[in-house]
This record gives sequence, C-alpha cells and structure tokens, in this order.
Amino acid sequence: DAGVTQSPTHLIKTRGQQVTLRCSPISGHKSVSWYQQVLGQGPQFIFQYYEKEERGRGNFPDRFSARQFPNYSSELNVNALLLGDSALYLCASSVVEEQFFGPGTRLTVL
Amino acid sequence: QKEVEQNSGPLSVPEGAIASLNCTYSDRGSQSFFWYRQYSGKSPELIMSIYSNGDKEDGRFTAQLNKASQYVSLLIRDSQPSDSATYLCAVRTGGSYIPTFGRGTSLIVHP
Repeated sequence: DAGVTQSPTHLIKTRGQQVTLRCSPISGHKSVSWYQQVLGQGPQFIFQYYEKEERGRGNFPDRFSARQFPNYSSELNVNALLLGDSALYLCASSVVEEQFFGPGTRLTVL
Repeated sequence: QKEVEQNSGPLSVPEGAIASLNCTYSDRGSQSFFWYRQYSGKSPELIMSIYSNGDKEDGRFTAQLNKASQYVSLLIRDSQPSDSATYLCAVRTGGSYIPTFGRGTSLIVHP
C-alpha cells in the first residue's frame, strides 16, 4: 500500500513569497495533520483536518492556512514567507490514533 | 501548557547493549503515547504506541508506561548501528486529537 505522499520534496523561496505544499494521505485515512519541524526540535503542530473540517490549529500566525479536499488530500499555504519559516514541513495521516508521516517538504526561505 | 520532556542526548551505547530512552509528560490526563524513530534528514517513523500501564513488546523494542509517575520509556534490546537515530516521544491528552512531541533523544550505537 502507498504511504503518505508529499510534494514537492524541496522548495526554495524568497522572503515575502507564498508557497503551497501538498499531501495525499494513506488510502482510507480521513484525517490529515500538518507539522513544522526545525533542526533539533520535535514536530510542531500546525493544523489537523478530519472529513474536510478543521479539527485543530496550533500556535502559528494567520499567514498559515490549510484545507482538505473531498478525496482527503490536503494543502498547506504559507503567505508572506519569513526566513524563520525555513523548516521541514511534515504531513501525517491517521485513521484513529496512530499518525503516519510522509517524507516531508524541505522549505528554504532566502 | 502540555509539555513532553526528553533528554536531547546523545545517548551512546555499544552494539548489542540495551538502549533506554525516557520521556516525561506534564498532563495527568494524557491517554496515548507514541514512539517515533527519525533518521537524519528523514521523516518520523512510528515504532510503538502504548495506551495502558505496563510493558508492550514488539521485537527488539519494549515500551513501558507508568501513568502514576508520568513517564514512558522505550527499551531497545541488542542495539545495532542501524538503530542510530533520533527517537521522538509523542503524547496525546484526553479531549484532544493532537499529540504533543518532545524534542527527541539522539541515540548513537557504536560498533
């Protein structure tokens, strides 16, 4: 079975630009969560969606937004990029408790 | 504020030894506990989940949960160099769907 997929793998942007990251969950998983991970830290929760509804939001500014589509795939959008947004962005899908992560998108903001 | 604490390490053990990784959490209402392994430059991989007090074994891995003392640990028996990675502890409290992650413990298994 295919695991969680994310695109793109790597991304380089400049300050002030906007970025869209994409995630496809494991087949049958209806919940998708987004995390930001910087070097030396654990993943920090950004959003969780279940059945296309936002079920949780972490302590991130309004520049971060997300949505989930009818096929349960999801997009994370970040506007007005800052240098501090450089990180590994992780998507995880789950059916009940256990979350399974995709390979991540490495975002570099110059 | 929910906190999950892990010693950042590195924890260095010889090949074949038992590696013991510990995690403490602040919220007594925590119900679900997870251990992830993360190789450098890769995403976290779920190793174990544990929901009730006691031990849970899966191959060379044993998760131990003590809710009274608010800690969860991961034992890796017969450690191999391929076990060298960062181990993340994640804890979910009742009433929330979102687990909180610790910063991880770096494990080095040397030949």
